[in-house]
Amino acid sequence: GENVEQHPSTLSVQEGDSAVIKCTYSDSASNYFPWYKQELGKGPQLIIDIRSNVGEKKDQRIAVTLNKTAKHFSLHITETQPEDSAVYFCAASNRVGAGRRALTFGSGTRLQVQP
Amino acid sequence: DAGITQSPRHKVTETGTPVTLRCHQTENHRYMYWYRQDPGHGLRLIHYSYGVKDTDKGEVSDGYSVSRSKTEDFLLTLESATSSQTSVYFCAISGAGGLNEKLFFGSGTQLSVL
Repeated sequence: GENVEQHPSTLSVQEGDSAVIKCTYSDSASNYFPWYKQELGKGPQLIIDIRSNVGEKKDQRIAVTLNKTAKHFSLHITETQPEDSAVYFCAASNRVGAGRRALTFGSGTRLQVQP
Repeated sequence: DAGITQSPRHKVTETGTPVTLRCHQTENHRYMYWYRQDPGHGLRLIHYSYGVKDTDKGEVSDGYSVSRSKTEDFLLTLESATSSQTSVYFCAISGAGGLNEKLFFGSGTQLSVL
């Protein structure tokens, strides 16, 4: 099955600095790579996603890059703010049944933005 | 949380007892999923449904069963709860595109098996 590795497990940055979280995946057929943000006591929320036909996608202060050859993708947050503090999960599509796919998640990165 | 309600929000039970968690959606989405979240493991797929009465296993399905008799409801049952099933359980939904659409999560159920 799919294996998604995520690093680092914790990340502390100063407000205004950039944060980068990296993930690698094993299934070369994976074609969808979302990122989720989870705040304390809540369910994960999608913040950005990228499909395999695109190398980079941006949404304001958030960007995701994908390197299909190397099977890794990264989340970049610029000009971090205290409200960016949360746990972030990467995920990759994985075959789970006859013609079906579901998401396999990384183990998460706890980001803390210091004011 | 995109019209997803999980119940109960918290439950404490004893080893060996049956437990059923409920997920209810108001979005009329075709796909529904149950994940468990444990420290160091992220979210792991237990079971998923691709339509009424159509379900399949995920990567950690042992000890769990599911049922979907209506589009809006997806039930997760632990037939005989064990301490290793202490976890936070999340229900998620996605539309007709299945995986290639956004996955929306509920608020989770904290289950403690003593």
